[in-house]
Amino acid sequence: GAVVSQHPSRVICKSGTSVKIECRSLDFQATTMFWYRQFPKQSLMLMATSNEGSKATYEQGVEKDKFLINHASLTLSTLTVTSAHPEDSSFYICSALSGTGAEKLFFGSGTQLSVL
Amino acid sequence: DQQVKQNSPSLSVQEGRISILNCDYTNSMFDYFLWYKKYPAEGPTFLISISSIKDKNEDGRFTVFLNKSAKHLSLHIVPSQPGDSAVYFCAASGHYTGANSKLTFGKGITLSVRP
Repeated sequence: GAVVSQHPSRVICKSGTSVKIECRSLDFQATTMFWYRQFPKQSLMLMATSNEGSKATYEQGVEKDKFLINHASLTLSTLTVTSAHPEDSSFYICSALSGTGAEKLFFGSGTQLSVL
Repeated sequence: DQQVKQNSPSLSVQEGRISILNCDYTNSMFDYFLWYKKYPAEGPTFLISISSIKDKNEDGRFTVFLNKSAKHLSLHIVPSQPGDSAVYFCAASGHYTGANSKLTFGKGITLSVRP
């Protein structure tokens, strides 16, 4: 299957700092990528849909000014958590579409963010 | 509001036996369902899917059953193998096309297959 690389896998930061997470499609071009968040013992929740060359579409309740998404190329989308606070501590995971249909959705390995 | 529910957090079965993982959904607009498998420190990987026009889809040891009237689907793994031990996520979509493959996930079920 297609490979999606996500970095870093784990980050610990102080409250008030910004953290950038990268999601790369290594062997395919992805016009569409998705960002999810998972709190402990909860389901993966879609945060936003990232489209190459255009603004991301955020799900209801997700602050676009806090979670900045940039999809400047067909192989890279970034999520920046601005002024992170302890309540932003969570598991963030991206996915990228390699074709048509949900079966063509490939996931990164996720980033565990801990904000002190 | 949890639209996709996996009410059992874990399941343990003996190697060689059948594993049955259940999933319920509440949104009648969902018309496509998928199962993903996730190992620790890895992202979920696609396992099997089913469209709402079918009630069964089989792929090797994996079979997914869909009961639309009950808004229930299940994943059967037979025979179960130790390598099947992982977290299994049920996911649903209201759109099949790639243009909008927005998925709603359940919380996942941790399957342990005992040798």
